[in-house]
Amino acid sequence: KAGVTQTPRYLIKTRGQQVTLSCSPISGHRSVSWYQQTPGQGLQFLFEYFSETQRNKGNFPGRFSGRQFSNSRSEMNVSTLELGDSALYLCASSLGYGGSTDTQYFGPGTRLTVL
Amino acid sequence: QKEVEQDPGPLSVPEGAIVSLNCTYSNSAFQYFMWYRQYSRKGPELLMYTYSSGNKEDGRFTAQVDKSSKYISLFIRDSQPSDSATYLCAMQSNTGNQFYFGTGTSLTVIP
Repeated sequence: KAGVTQTPRYLIKTRGQQVTLSCSPISGHRSVSWYQQTPGQGLQFLFEYFSETQRNKGNFPGRFSGRQFSNSRSEMNVSTLELGDSALYLCASSLGYGGSTDTQYFGPGTRLTVL
Repeated sequence: QKEVEQDPGPLSVPEGAIVSLNCTYSNSAFQYFMWYRQYSRKGPELLMYTYSSGNKEDGRFTAQVDKSSKYISLFIRDSQPSDSATYLCAMQSNTGNQFYFGTGTSLTVIP
């Protein structure tokens, strides 16, 4: 079974630009979560999509947005990039129903550098 | 107060040592507990998954959950240099679907 894939793997942007990251979940998984990981803050939850609807949201400004398509693939968009947005952005997929059979599986991440 | 607290380390041990990694949490509704291992420049990979209290063993790894103390541990026996990574704990309640992560503990096993 193929794992979670993320594209692109590396990205360099300048302040003020916008960026779109893509995530393809494991086949059959309906939930996709996005996280920002930085050395100082650790793993911070951005949002989660389930069946094309945002189901949970972390404490990030509105510049961070996402969407999920009918095939469960998800995209995350960051507008008006700031230097502090430089981070590893991780996508995780799960079945999405909670309970003892539900676990998150992570992709390799997209490393975003904002200059 | 954060939902999940984890000592960031770093932790440095000699090869063959027993390693103990720990997390505490505040939400008594957490029922599902996970440990992830993350190598440098990679995404986290699921290492152990436990439900409610008790122990679970998988090879050199043992996960322990003490719900009365809101405390979970991961023990690594006979640690190897290949165990050098960041270890993240995660948990989920039985009433929700969101996962809550610790900040991770950086472990280095010295040959």
